[in-house]
Amino acid sequence: DIQMTQSPSSVSASVGDRVTITCRASQGISNWLAWYQQKPGKAPKLLIYAASSLQSGVPSRFSGSGSGTDFTLTISSLQPEDFATYFCLQANSFPLTFGGGTKVEIK
Amino acid sequence: QVQLQESGPGLVKPSQTLSLTCTVSGGSISSGGYYWSWIRQHPGKGLEWIGYIYYTGSTYYSPSLKSRVIISADTSKNQFSLELTSVTAADTAVYYCARDHGGHYFAYWGQGALVTVST
Repeated sequence: DIQMTQSPSSVSASVGDRVTITCRASQGISNWLAWYQQKPGKAPKLLIYAASSLQSGVPSRFSGSGSGTDFTLTISSLQPEDFATYFCLQANSFPLTFGGGTKVEIK
Repeated sequence: QVQLQESGPGLVKPSQTLSLTCTVSGGSISSGGYYWSWIRQHPGKGLEWIGYIYYTGSTYYSPSLKSRVIISADTSKNQFSLELTSVTAADTAVYYCARDHGGHYFAYWGQGALVTVST
């Protein structure tokens, strides 16, 4: 199985801050990576797919980059509604696997 | 807009079979070339992909659960289902059904169903 290691596990930030979350795959996955946002009690929401493609309806302050084994999700200017947990997903090979999550908390 | 909704018992006894159904509206599960998956999330933990059923009816399961999982579809009801046998407390989780939008990226999710395994 491909292991997805996310860091940090949590981050404290203020509204307006730039936040960067990383995901590292245990082997190369090309650009087969997605990022999700999850709020308490809700299903995950797709933000980014194919490493850098913005899902329809997602604000442009979210961006993704990377290829191979190292990937980044960036929130350019954190908004109050962005406080949530973020997960990465590798879709290169089965079984599909998720990162452990990064909780973005209010500073 | 595709919508998915999980349904099934919220409490299952150890060693019994967990059964959940996902009802799909806004699109047919037997067309469009999509993968229909089950994913679970243990309380306060990360996400675990369980398996999928393709629109053709073919299935693929995570190796870690393969011996206990069956995913099936009822196209007449536009539903697909999950059966997980011989459950233990470790199977307590919120179970989601989901559909990709191409490339196994889950774009559409149900609201989730909490299943507790307990006597």
